[in-house]
Amino acid sequence: IAGITQAPTSQILAAGRRMTLRCTQDMRHNAMYWYRQDLGLGLRLIHYSNTAGTTGKGEVPDGYSVSRANTDDFPLTLASAVPSQTSVYFCASSDSGAARYNEQFFGPGTRLTVL
Amino acid sequence: DAKTTQPTSMDCAEGRAANLPCNHSTISGNEYVYWYRQIHSQGPQYIIHGLKNNETNEMASLIITEDRKSSTLILPHATLRDTAVYYCIVRSTRAGGTSYGKLTFGQGTILTVHP
Repeated sequence: IAGITQAPTSQILAAGRRMTLRCTQDMRHNAMYWYRQDLGLGLRLIHYSNTAGTTGKGEVPDGYSVSRANTDDFPLTLASAVPSQTSVYFCASSDSGAARYNEQFFGPGTRLTVL
Repeated sequence: DAKTTQPTSMDCAEGRAANLPCNHSTISGNEYVYWYRQIHSQGPQYIIHGLKNNETNEMASLIITEDRKSSTLILPHATLRDTAVYYCIVRSTRAGGTSYGKLTFGQGTILTVHP
């Protein structure tokens, strides 16, 4: 059982380029999330999806887009990367029953550097 | 969501119990207390959660005071691998809307377990 996987592990990207971070889970969780983690700012929610076919904006959505075509995959796209998007990105998923949606399972993260 | 206050850092000897406190004096009746930890360079890991009763699982115990204004996470026999940042999060279980699944990770407590 893999749980939740992310790709790539790390990436250096030129400013202005388009980039998609991949996230896949095999736990059949309805809810999925994207966070970014920056030193001194903690983890901040970018986008979330309650279930396949729906998405919502988190705390810092600008410059990012997501899609949820199926239950397992939740890709995060940077349409035109900027240096302020340099960060570690974590994908997470959770079940949707009662309190369980706050029991989030996190992937190993993607370290992105935008130059 | 209720604000939480945790000590910035704590030390613990290997094999001893680690007791991590958290204050959440503004917690409301439908809010649970969740604990996560983040080991260096890894994604956050869910540990335990509770509403008002003490809880125990294979990782830790959670003690919540009767007035629910504070709680303590107990790692009964800390090991070097328990060195991590521990986050106390107070969150309601209401699903839907813009608050869905938004975990707010504060600064947490840096727990260092030493030999």
